[in-house]
Amino acid sequence: RKEVEQDPGPFNVPEGATVAFNCTYSNSASQSFFWYRQDCRKEPKLLMSVYSSGNEDGRFTAQLNRASQYISLLIRDSKLSDSATYLCVGGPRGGATNKLIFGTGTLLAVQP
Amino acid sequence: DVKVTQSSRYLVKRTGEKVFLECVQDMDHENMFWYRQDPGLGLRLIYFSYDVKMKEKGDIPEGYSVSREKKERFSLILESASTNQTSMYLCASNGGDVYEQYFGPGTRLTVT
Repeated sequence: RKEVEQDPGPFNVPEGATVAFNCTYSNSASQSFFWYRQDCRKEPKLLMSVYSSGNEDGRFTAQLNRASQYISLLIRDSKLSDSATYLCVGGPRGGATNKLIFGTGTLLAVQP
Repeated sequence: DVKVTQSSRYLVKRTGEKVFLECVQDMDHENMFWYRQDPGLGLRLIYFSYDVKMKEKGDIPEGYSVSREKKERFSLILESASTNQTSMYLCASNGGDVYEQYFGPGTRLTVT
């Protein structure tokens, strides 16, 4: 079983729609969680951190459910520019270094 | 802004060649990481370093080595490139109590 699992998608949604992604993690000791965004042929970039009960940033809301070991990302009023791959990330893996575990990503395609 | 740079965006090498991928960060980060990213497999950690001259194996170190002679620079070496090492290589860094990793633009390596 992968340590961080995501539905690869693709999620095809019309502009203006609300879309939600879920991600499950297996290591209950993971302390921090993030959502990264990766555009096609570009590097991943941090979208949001999810440290405790959740986080909201404009149209984006991230939730953490420690009891069920899942993280979600909600995007409201989708824009064409939201089309990208969204990576669920957990960490650290332990030890002195800040190693992170990346999910394989969920592809979102927002259509006009 | 954190800046992580990689020596090449695209690289084509022949089987058996020795390949050097360079990564430089300008934020005085202690930790540096090398990943490869392949479709369907996501980001996989090859090696990481938490200090100058210190290195640890990641999940897929076979066929790779690394060097960190200066804090800002972390090199990935393919001793004898093989076709199964064709991939996108991403360098990242972080430091202190900050778990978020900052990525370079990536090097797309093709081994023929």
